[in-house]
Amino acid sequence: QKEVEQDPGPLSVPEGAIVSLNCTYSNSAFQYFMWYRQYSRKGPELLMYTYSSGNKEDGRFTAQVDKSSKYISLFIRDSQPSDSATYLCAMSAGTGNQFYFGTGTSLTVIP
Amino acid sequence: KAGVTQTPRYLIKTRGQQVTLSCSPISGHRSVSWYQQTPGQGLQFLFEYFSETQRNKGNFPGRFSGRQFSNSRSEMNVSTLELGDSALYLCASSIDSGRPYGYTFGSGTRLTVV
Repeated sequence: QKEVEQDPGPLSVPEGAIVSLNCTYSNSAFQYFMWYRQYSRKGPELLMYTYSSGNKEDGRFTAQVDKSSKYISLFIRDSQPSDSATYLCAMSAGTGNQFYFGTGTSLTVIP
Repeated sequence: KAGVTQTPRYLIKTRGQQVTLSCSPISGHRSVSWYQQTPGQGLQFLFEYFSETQRNKGNFPGRFSGRQFSNSRSEMNVSTLELGDSALYLCASSIDSGRPYGYTFGSGTRLTVV
């Protein structure tokens, strides 16, 4: 079983829609939960990270972590064509530990 | 400030050859991690170097190796290339390992093995 599972999509939504991206994981030691965005021919860039459980909001983006269910989500409100990219979740048990990535979900926002 | 620089951006090699990829981290960053990204497997961790020492290693064969120099620049080497080694190789740098903030990726080296 993979450490992190992520639905690869692809996901296609109209501009202005609310997007929900999700990952599940198996390792209860994970403490840091991250979302990266990767545009074509670019490296991933960090969008948001949360420590332990709870919600975190940054503009149109909201990250949620439910450690009891081993489930994390990223919500994008009022989606824009510029949000079209691959979104990767990543997790770490903490300082000194490696990151584990999901395979990524490809998102297209149609104008 | 300058980001993470990976060279070369694109590389075509023949099966059986070896290849060396280079990564220059953000100034002041001492940790450099390497990942292999393929459509089917996503990002898979290769290894991490911190202050010239390998701190973590993923589940890759011994054909994959790396090193870090005193200026924090890092190289990874793949010997006896196989077709399945075709991938995007990404390098990420950070001040310390395991911290999500300040973990910055380069644009990668696209390796094609023919």
